[in-house]
Amino acid sequence: DTGVSQDPRHKITKRGQNVTFRCDPISEHNRLYWYRQTLGQGPEFLTYFQNEAQLEKSRLLSDRFSAERPKGSFSTLEIQRTEQGDSAMYLCASSSVLGYEQFFGPGTRLTVL
Amino acid sequence: GQQVMQIPQYQHVQEGEDFTTYCNSSTTLSNIQWYKQRPGGHPVFLIQLVKSGEVKKQKRLTFQFGEAKKNSSLHITATQTTDVGTYFCAWLQYSGAGSYQLTFGKGTKLSVIP
Repeated sequence: DTGVSQDPRHKITKRGQNVTFRCDPISEHNRLYWYRQTLGQGPEFLTYFQNEAQLEKSRLLSDRFSAERPKGSFSTLEIQRTEQGDSAMYLCASSSVLGYEQFFGPGTRLTVL
Repeated sequence: GQQVMQIPQYQHVQEGEDFTTYCNSSTTLSNIQWYKQRPGGHPVFLIQLVKSGEVKKQKRLTFQFGEAKKNSSLHITATQTTDVGTYFCAWLQYSGAGSYQLTFGKGTKLSVIP
């Protein structure tokens, strides 16, 4: 396991459709984070998991967004009824319980038409 | 909520010139992290500072944390084309009950003219 992986790398969808992204963290990392990044901005925190428990969720996160990490390994981020404003790069990161460094995946670029 | 302001937004330098980006907070920070994101890439962790007045060096990069822990800077000596990218400062906040949240600045985009 050489790093955090995300799938798909690119997703184009029509407004109103549902999309799901997957993140596979570094295998021994029990902390997992989702971020959203738009052009010219820094990553914006969405949610945080420690093992399978979702411990933090951004107040800015719409109810259309849901994330899971059912077995404490991979995680999924689902966006329901997508809107054009959801177009962004969705980044996943992981870290170990002993470390503060976050390792980012390559991201999933979402385009909502 | 607490915000981390980063300046400048853009910086164009001639190769060999120095570069500095600054990160400022209105309140005291428990820590500051720096990340680099290459064009088309993802953020890569550079360093974390936690102590008042702390200075750390990584080859041509020098990181500082202010005495009041409200500001930080990243200085690159003699820039190279490989330094191109966006540099972000970020603050790791512990929210209680084992919860963590990383808040990023808007970044400084560095262009290096060969």
